[in-house]
Amino acid sequence: EVQLVESGGGLVQPGGSLRLSCAASGFTFSNYAMSWVRQAPGKGLEWVSGITAAGTYYAGSVKGRFTISRDFSKDTLYLQMSSLRAGDTAMYYCTIQPNHGIALPGWGQGTLVTVSS
Amino acid sequence: QSVLTQPPSVSGAPGQRATISCTGSGSNLGAGYDVHWYQQLPGTIPRLLIYANTNRPSGVPGRFSGSKSGTSASLAIGGLQPEDEAIYYCQAFDSGLRGWVFGEGTKLTVL
Repeated sequence: EVQLVESGGGLVQPGGSLRLSCAASGFTFSNYAMSWVRQAPGKGLEWVSGITAAGTYYAGSVKGRFTISRDFSKDTLYLQMSSLRAGDTAMYYCTIQPNHGIALPGWGQGTLVTVSS
Repeated sequence: QSVLTQPPSVSGAPGQRATISCTGSGSNLGAGYDVHWYQQLPGTIPRLLIYANTNRPSGVPGRFSGSKSGTSASLAIGGLQPEDEAIYYCQAFDSGLRGWVFGEGTKLTVL
């Protein structure tokens, strides 16, 4: 059974940093592209960042502030977030990103990031 | 405003068929990138419904189907059921933005 468990969210002041983690199990982590997707309260889905064998990708709104990475020895996906703004407040989901015809249903339960003074 | 355009809402009666469109451009759907569809039921996390234009993951009923042609894609839901009421999102890679994007979502109401 695919499991994705996020952690690391919380309350942070504007300009602060957080590192989100996503522990993966139940599938061969190295075989799949992964993404972070966020959803602000009452809003739609916003893709934030993705990682594939070819490289890393970022939404324009987070480029230069967020860094995605993965540790194959720990089957864990990360999102290092810095220079956080109020607009980054959202639930952050880790998900298996369909890519080049390869897909596996999998979303974490999410971790809440609140940026406020 | 997303580069993938979806209607804000669609509706249909139980048993009928509903179609949700997703219109892109030459840097995403028109460039040959696959479209994926997600369903988000009220108060739940999103669920992958269709991937790579037409493929259903295991467990997704056959009354959900996807298609793509040129710069447009569609999700069709046959035999509407009350439990299909949800927000549906399309997603695709965009070469100009160099990343994936979601449409703004379509709220399906089963009358």
